Amino acid sequence: KAGVTQTPRYLIKTRGQQVTLSCSPISGHRSVSWYQQTPGQGLQFLFEYFSETQRNKGNFPGRFSGRQFSNSRSEMNVSTLELGDSALYLCASSSEGQGVGYGYTFGSGTRLTVV
Amino acid sequence: QKEVEQDPGPLSVPEGAIVSLNCTYSNSAFQYFMWYRQYSRKGPELLMYTYSSGNKEDGRFTAQVDKSSKYISLFIRDSQPSDSATYLCAIVKAAGNKLTFGGGTRVLVKP
Repeated sequence: KAGVTQTPRYLIKTRGQQVTLSCSPISGHRSVSWYQQTPGQGLQFLFEYFSETQRNKGNFPGRFSGRQFSNSRSEMNVSTLELGDSALYLCASSSEGQGVGYGYTFGSGTRLTVV
Repeated sequence: QKEVEQDPGPLSVPEGAIVSLNCTYSNSAFQYFMWYRQYSRKGPELLMYTYSSGNKEDGRFTAQVDKSSKYISLFIRDSQPSDSATYLCAIVKAAGNKLTFGGGTRVLVKP
């Protein structure tokens, strides 16, 4: 069974640019969550989508946005990049039917560097 | 104050020793407790999941939850060099799917 796939693995962008990251969840999983991981702040929740609807949102500025498609694949977008946006962006998928806490499978992440 | 506190380490132990990790949390609304392992340049991997006070064992891993003290622990028996990683506790409230993570403890098991 394929895991959570995130593309690209690495990305270098310039301040002010925008970036789009992609996440393909485990087949059958309808919930996709995004997290930002930095050495200083650790893992922080960005947002969660279920059946194309955003259900939860963390405390990040509006420059961070996301969406989910009908096949459960998800994208997140960061506009007007800042140096502080450099981080590992992780996507996790879960199956509602397994209950809270089950099936939170993470991808390997996209490492974004803003220069 | 962070909702979930975890000692960053590093925690260095000899091979074969018991590794003891713990987290404290402040919100009694948290109901589900998880431990993740993260190797360098990889995503977190779920090790243990529990939702009640008490112990849960899986192979060399034992998770312990004390809701009255808001304290959770993970014990790794017979530690191996391959256990060297960062261990993260994660907690979920009863409603909603947001994981709140501790800062992670870096563990180094020396051969």
